[in-house]
Amino acid sequence: EAGVAQSPRYKIIEKRQSVAFWCNPISGHATLYWYQQILGQGPKLLIQFQNNGVVDDSQLPKDRFSAERLKGVDSTLKIQPAKLEDSAVYLCASSLDPGEVDTQYFGPGTRLTVL
Amino acid sequence: QKEVEQNSGPLSVPEGAIASLNCTYSDRVSQSFFWYRQYSGKSPELIMSIYSNGDKEDGRFTAQLNKASQYVSLLIRDSQPSDSATYLCAIPNWQFGSRLTFGEGTQLTVNP
Repeated sequence: EAGVAQSPRYKIIEKRQSVAFWCNPISGHATLYWYQQILGQGPKLLIQFQNNGVVDDSQLPKDRFSAERLKGVDSTLKIQPAKLEDSAVYLCASSLDPGEVDTQYFGPGTRLTVL
Repeated sequence: QKEVEQNSGPLSVPEGAIASLNCTYSDRVSQSFFWYRQYSGKSPELIMSIYSNGDKEDGRFTAQLNKASQYVSLLIRDSQPSDSATYLCAIPNWQFGSRLTFGEGTQLTVNP
């Protein structure tokens, strides 16, 4: 079974630029999560999708971050404009359904550096 | 008070020793508790889950839960250099979908 795929793996941008990350969850997984992990901290949920609907985006900085999950499969997370404090690893995870929190599988992450 | 707090570390133990990692949580209604291991530059992977008071053993790993004290721990017996990683305590927050709330992690180094 293929795992969660993310791209790019690394991205370096200057502040005020925009950036987008892509995630392809495990086939058949209805629930998709985007987490932000700042160096030295645990992951923090940004947004959770159930199929193509948003379940929880309470911690998403909506003035600059946006995410979509068209057709309930792939997802993109965008930052526009980026700030220095957005430097972090962005992790995508998926699970079969929201109740299966113990089967959230994480992708390799995208490491973003904002200069 | 943070939702999930871990002893910040870093923690260093000699090979073969017992490593003890601790986590406290604020939400009394929490029912599920998870320990993730994260190697440097890698994504978190689930290594233990515990749902009821007491101990749960899996190989060299033992998770301990005390709901009255709102405390969960992870013991690693016969620690190996390959256990060197950051260990993250995580608790689902059912108020918001199935969000996992993570502690800040404890960095463990096992010295040969």
